[in-house]
Amino acid sequence: GQQLNQSPQSMFIQEGEDVSMNCTSSSIFNTWLWYKQDPGEGPVLLIALYKAGELTSNGRLTAQFGITRKDSFLNISASIPSDVGIYFCAGSNFGNEKLTFGTGTRLTIIP
Amino acid sequence: KAGVTQTPRYLIKTRGQQVTLSCSPISGHRSVSWYQQTPGQGLQFLFEYFSETQRNKGNFPGRFSGRQFSNSRSEMNVSTLELGDSALYLCASRLEGGETQYFGPGTRLLVL
Repeated sequence: GQQLNQSPQSMFIQEGEDVSMNCTSSSIFNTWLWYKQDPGEGPVLLIALYKAGELTSNGRLTAQFGITRKDSFLNISASIPSDVGIYFCAGSNFGNEKLTFGTGTRLTIIP
Repeated sequence: KAGVTQTPRYLIKTRGQQVTLSCSPISGHRSVSWYQQTPGQGLQFLFEYFSETQRNKGNFPGRFSGRQFSNSRSEMNVSTLELGDSALYLCASRLEGGETQYFGPGTRLLVL
């Protein structure tokens, strides 16, 4: 099945560092979503983007909906231990309830 | 408001058996979608139900089926299990007209 290209695949950072990850698609989406998944749990929604060019923040998280509608990025500022996990982007289109997910970015914080 | 619940959380079956997984959506959400998550294929869409009707279907064989009840609860069934069906099965619910899907904790299925 189709998956969006998400990079980097994994990140090893120190607490307090900023993090940036992005997601690209060969087709356009009307909605971009970012989820975080902890081991053994389902994805939890972090940020939803509904308009091309939109920049949205949720606490230390900031995400942008690319102007071409084919990409999105997520930034995490001043990382903390609870940020550890796998981050997924997902795209969807109005009238089509299917989410197409990215390949995921695994974030690890080095002590 | 309670989140999406899925039962059971863990399941072990053998090849050739069949399995039924259950999902209760967030109260008021009438759309329920199912996804399969594996290390190799990532998160893949299985199907989506709304008002007891399947509205959308992913690229999975006919062994994978589902249904939705009048109270919006949904079940998915996998018949003639194969080793490759071992995965985390996730259910997500959505408010009609909303684009945001909320996921349950998943059911981890192991096929031996």
